[in-house]
Amino acid sequence: GAVVSQHPSRVICKSGTSVKIECRSLDFQATTMFWYRQFPKQSLMLMATSNEGSKATYEQGVEKDKFLINHASLTLSTLTVTSAHPEDSSFYICSARDQTQMNTGELFFGEGSRLTVL
Amino acid sequence: RKEVEQDPGPFNVPEGATVAFNCTYSNSASQSFFWYRQDCRKEPKLLMSVYSSGNEDGRFTAQLNRASQYISLLIRDSKLSDSATYLCVVNAPSGNTPLVFGKGTRLSVIA
Repeated sequence: GAVVSQHPSRVICKSGTSVKIECRSLDFQATTMFWYRQFPKQSLMLMATSNEGSKATYEQGVEKDKFLINHASLTLSTLTVTSAHPEDSSFYICSARDQTQMNTGELFFGEGSRLTVL
Repeated sequence: RKEVEQDPGPFNVPEGATVAFNCTYSNSASQSFFWYRQDCRKEPKLLMSVYSSGNEDGRFTAQLNRASQYISLLIRDSKLSDSATYLCVVNAPSGNTPLVFGKGTRLSVIA
């Protein structure tokens, strides 16, 4: 099946620093990727939709200047958490669909990145 | 009303038991429905799609009731390895739109 790779899987950083998370579709192309965030014992919440070659679409309440998204190619999207604060500590997961299999609707997830801000 | 609602549980059942989860969705125009499984501190993985006619995969049976806008998942002969959180997931109508996730139902199968 399709594979989405996310890196790093775990990161600890100091408050005020920036952290970049990469999401790659390894064997398919994705014009659109989705970034989710999950706090402990909560559901996945969509943060933004990353569009290849254009600006990302952010969900209400998500600061676009804080969570920078770049989707420079059909296989790579990055999420940068700028000036991280302890409340940004969470599990960040990217996902994508194989655009040749859009009708199946299945979403493939990266392994997730657990961010801890001290 | 939330877009996708699930009973969070936890459901604590003995091995071999049959357990059922329900999920309701608010958007009547939704087209695709799924059950995902998420293990603790891991990413969600597709368990099964839910078809209008209902579908079965081994010990797992999924049903869709469009009139009442609910989806169900039945697990027969529960195994310890079934312990996880089960996410009800709904796809908005057409286009490359993100899936909407329920909060999940926690299942613990006990020996």
